[in-house]
Amino acid sequence: EAQVTQNPRYLITVTGKKLTVTCSQNMNHEYMSWYRQDPGLGLRQIYYSMNVEVTDKGDVPEGYKVSRKEKRNFPLILESPSPNQTSLYFCASSPVPWETQYFGPGTRLLVL
Amino acid sequence: SQELEQSPQSLIVQEGKNLTINCTSSKTLYGLYWYKQKYGEGLIFLMMLQKGGEEKSHEKITAKLDEKKQQSSLHITASQPSHAGIYLCGADKVKDFNKFYFGSGTKLNVKP
Repeated sequence: EAQVTQNPRYLITVTGKKLTVTCSQNMNHEYMSWYRQDPGLGLRQIYYSMNVEVTDKGDVPEGYKVSRKEKRNFPLILESPSPNQTSLYFCASSPVPWETQYFGPGTRLLVL
Repeated sequence: SQELEQSPQSLIVQEGKNLTINCTSSKTLYGLYWYKQKYGEGLIFLMMLQKGGEEKSHEKITAKLDEKKQQSSLHITASQPSHAGIYLCGADKVKDFNKFYFGSGTKLNVKP
């Protein structure tokens, strides 16, 4: 089954404690993105990747890092989480830029 | 500010009624995408529009992109409870060339 998986699905952490949210897709897609969703703001792109070792900032990259060492995986790293990073995070992949993005189920993060 | 403005922000309709959601950009849209999100879940791709005047339908949902390619509408005919969720429009090249942007979303509730 074609899918994008994210882990963990729910996470409660404290300010400053480094965390990683994993994302994996099994469709051999080249393009992957991370988004955050906040009430009233819709989804905002954090980072995107066009291929292995090729990543670039989205609209709200501050406080986040990503890496793309393998085509299937695109982890999101919060090195020093802060409460304003409390949000619902989605990973997505697509075969070509932005057409038919496949979304993961989301990761709900609470930073205390 | 939002690169894509959606209206209305929320909508409650009686089952069987028709409804329209709008998505407006201040810039020309080169690709406009509609997604649906069930509350708290990942997004599901509905339709993509690229040409001015283009119209696409899937089951009871029809999306159009106007001739000037600055506004799109999503129309649901004879709404059902299964149509409930958040509808988001998305586009690339509306601000920074390589990034993807979503509107803030329209929450739809359908009363049985």
